[in-house]
Amino acid sequence: ETGVTQTPRHLVMGMTNKKSLKCEQHLGHNAMYWYKQSAKKPLELMFVYSLEERVENNSVPSRFSPECPNSSHLFLHLHTLQPEDSALYLCASSQVPGQDYGYTFGSGTRLTVV
Amino acid sequence: KNEVEQSPQNLTAQEGEFITINCSYSVGISALHWLQQHPGGGIVSLFMLSSGKKKHGRLIATINIQEKHSSLHITASHPRDSAVYICAARGGATNKLIFGTGTLLAVQP
Repeated sequence: ETGVTQTPRHLVMGMTNKKSLKCEQHLGHNAMYWYKQSAKKPLELMFVYSLEERVENNSVPSRFSPECPNSSHLFLHLHTLQPEDSALYLCASSQVPGQDYGYTFGSGTRLTVV
Repeated sequence: KNEVEQSPQNLTAQEGEFITINCSYSVGISALHWLQQHPGGGIVSLFMLSSGKKKHGRLIATINIQEKHSSLHITASHPRDSAVYICAARGGATNKLIFGTGTLLAVQP
């Protein structure tokens, strides 16, 4: 365990389903991130939260909706996804956004859209 | 063309071999990371460096700022070193973390 916990580890969902990914950190970090990792591609930053405020949204389709209710928890709500959204979704946290000290990743959620 | 390029993409080695993975970047950076990703997905940070060389156990990371190049070395490789190794550089116009596509290393007994 790295200190960043993601659930579930695996998720299979239909294109009409609604599901949520959860990320939790108890490292005292103030920034949290969602990344998408598709096969053969570099990690893509999706969202950045700093002190529960969204500070970055990298042109992510609205079918992905993040939520950060407090500095320890981050959710990614999914609805009407497409098969091309199948990927590994990684959560990360760091002490301060834009700085890399203590940058810590979770184990990811492997998402399959059918 | 990605701003962070890694080579090789795939590497197979015999146990005990000395391994080198290379990372080149085309932007000015403030820090460079080497990450390890095991099957199953979780990513672990190995090194963060901005100059010189760092060593941790059998792993050594070096960076040459002038040449915009970094290397990750593994001495006395072991099958448990089998993983994807990812280089990531913080820099460029947006000062974001830019990731390479990774190097898949398989160490055979």
